[in-house]
Amino acid sequence: GESVGLHLPTLSVQEGDNSIINCAYSNSASDYFIWYKQESGKGPQFIIDIRSNMDKRQGQRVTVLLNKTVKHLSLQIAATQPGDSAVYFCAENSGGGADGLTFGKGTHLIIQP
Amino acid sequence: KAGVTQTPRYLIKTRGQQVTLSCSPISGHRSVSWYQQTPGQGLQFLFEYFSETQRNKGNFPGRFSGRQFSNSRSEMNVSTLELGDSALYLCASSPDKSTDTQYFGPGTRLTVL
Repeated sequence: GESVGLHLPTLSVQEGDNSIINCAYSNSASDYFIWYKQESGKGPQFIIDIRSNMDKRQGQRVTVLLNKTVKHLSLQIAATQPGDSAVYFCAENSGGGADGLTFGKGTHLIIQP
Repeated sequence: KAGVTQTPRYLIKTRGQQVTLSCSPISGHRSVSWYQQTPGQGLQFLFEYFSETQRNKGNFPGRFSGRQFSNSRSEMNVSTLELGDSALYLCASSPDKSTDTQYFGPGTRLTVL
């Protein structure tokens, strides 16, 4: 099936700066997108989601942007903290659910002190 | 509410053996999905169960199977283990459909020697 990809395997940012993690998807039928955070030794943790009828959604310190025209998804983390260090995955669901969630490869966010 | 729990957390098996992994979803969630996570292939969808029936299936061989009980708890079984089956096996639950937000357990780390 079509896959979700991420632009960078590793992203290094200074503590306190804003982080932007990008994701490109190819299935135009996808109507639901999720960002997960996975810390070492743990399962993926839900961060924020967005449906295809929206282009922006905000949570606590996080914002997800969806650009359907270019099939691009991004996660913005404000004032990055050491606890934000993890691998971040975007995932899409094409609506039929036949293939479950399709995950990207992940971006490892590294926080520099 | 308690989160998704998985047992055991770690397993070591040898080639040719079989293994059973267990997952208890979040209370009230009826859909359980299983994923395999490896460094090379990332997170891949195995199958989804709902109301004791397999509703969706990923592209894995028949050695991988599962079931769901009336209390929504689920098990997955891998027979005739191969070295390549070494992975983190993740279970995720959602309220109704696999297209809903899925919440993951901590995973079972399977090592095949």
